[in-house]
Amino acid sequence: AQTVTQSQPEMSVQEAETVTLSCTYDTSENNYYLFWYKQPPSRQMILVIRQEAYKQQNATENRFSVNFQKAAKSFSLKISDSQLGDTAMYFCAFMMLDGGSQGNLIFGKGTKLSVKP
Amino acid sequence: EAQVTQNPRYLITVTGKKLTVTCSQNMNHEYMSWYRQDPGLGLRQIYYSMNVEVTDKGDVPEGYKVSRKEKRNFPLILESPSPNQTSLYFCASSFRQGRRAGTDTQYFGPGTRLTVL
Repeated sequence: AQTVTQSQPEMSVQEAETVTLSCTYDTSENNYYLFWYKQPPSRQMILVIRQEAYKQQNATENRFSVNFQKAAKSFSLKISDSQLGDTAMYFCAFMMLDGGSQGNLIFGKGTKLSVKP
Repeated sequence: EAQVTQNPRYLITVTGKKLTVTCSQNMNHEYMSWYRQDPGLGLRQIYYSMNVEVTDKGDVPEGYKVSRKEKRNFPLILESPSPNQTSLYFCASSFRQGRRAGTDTQYFGPGTRLTVL
């Protein structure tokens, strides 16, 4: 079974600084997607970034980028120029592309990020 | 605006009183899914549907039912709610690609906070 581990329950960062959130996963599959979702106090689940496992290039979305290390099964999220609106719970998630997973997103337990002014 | 909607957003009920949480998407997505979010456990899949009239169990289906009579709607039914079903519920949807289910990014509804007394 696939598992996703986020080892940092809470983190804080000063506004305008850079922070990195860690995520590791365990799978024997070769074909999968990885995601970071953001959950602000409103509780909405918002997609931050997606990485396809077959792509070597790390995904980026504006101030958000990932460091995807497939052999190490590591998928960290870097937030540059942190803003107050980045304060949220961040979830790392894994999804198999083949086999019987049927689109099931496997989530980590989350990292609560606080951006301080 | 492309979106997933859920109703109600908040619900307090009593043990044994049947309830339905509706989910609707306007993106013509084939795949729809229900998750529950509990503190310390993250999000877990309850049921999913790959298309109209095609549904199947996720990781935690006990005590829930679903139906998919129309492509846009995927209601979650609790026939006899119990206090252990107190949770935050999310509906999500995505496109499929060929025979793969949920291979595109899943977009989440705003969540339904359910309390069963």
